[in-house]
Amino acid sequence: SAVISQKPSRDICQRGTSLTIQCQVDSQVTMMFWYRQQPGQSLTLIATANQGSEATYESGFVIDKFPISRPNLTFSTLTVSNMSPEDSSIYLCSVEGQGVYTGELFFGEGSRLTVL
Amino acid sequence: GENVEQHPSTLSVQEGDSAVIKCTYSDSASNYFPWYKQELGKRPQLIIDIRSNVGEKKDQRIAVTLNKTAKHFSLHITETQPEDSAVYFCAASLYSSASKIIFGSGTRLSIRP
Repeated sequence: SAVISQKPSRDICQRGTSLTIQCQVDSQVTMMFWYRQQPGQSLTLIATANQGSEATYESGFVIDKFPISRPNLTFSTLTVSNMSPEDSSIYLCSVEGQGVYTGELFFGEGSRLTVL
Repeated sequence: GENVEQHPSTLSVQEGDSAVIKCTYSDSASNYFPWYKQELGKRPQLIIDIRSNVGEKKDQRIAVTLNKTAKHFSLHITETQPEDSAVYFCAASLYSSASKIIFGSGTRLSIRP
């Protein structure tokens, strides 16, 4: 299994500002995933963060809006840039389990952002 | 690409009764079908999964069935308890391709005392 720590757990932000979310994993992993969960909605993959290369973004998400860093195999950050109220969501960091846990996604506690 | 549809969006059952949530998928290449449970304010957690070489899998009060021909799979919860109240998400992917997992829209299950 994997233990994932995310911070901040929640924040209230002003329109036009940017916020960086941090994700720390207790083991080395190749890929880290960033999801968005809008209120009452499902989990939507924003991007996959690979160590040593640029993140891979899903359709509808761009690097200028959601820049990602992956400085090592246990840490990643997601920045939500130039925020608007539509960015109010829970942002979740996730990794895939290894060994017998292959295929299973482990999630952080999530970062609940409210943009005013 | 893969598309996963989930029904119903909300479900209310009497404590002790059974609950069934159904999902369909579009990509016949998908071979891994996990179910995640998300309690209010908590992170999603895997509760059961099934691979395409198996038609049914059971773990205590929960079971999942898979019909590859029809491309649908279902979650069954028997003898429901208050702690089963949560949002349940089905998903489909290629096994060991977590970056390609597609989630359903979720089912909010409420257990009435």
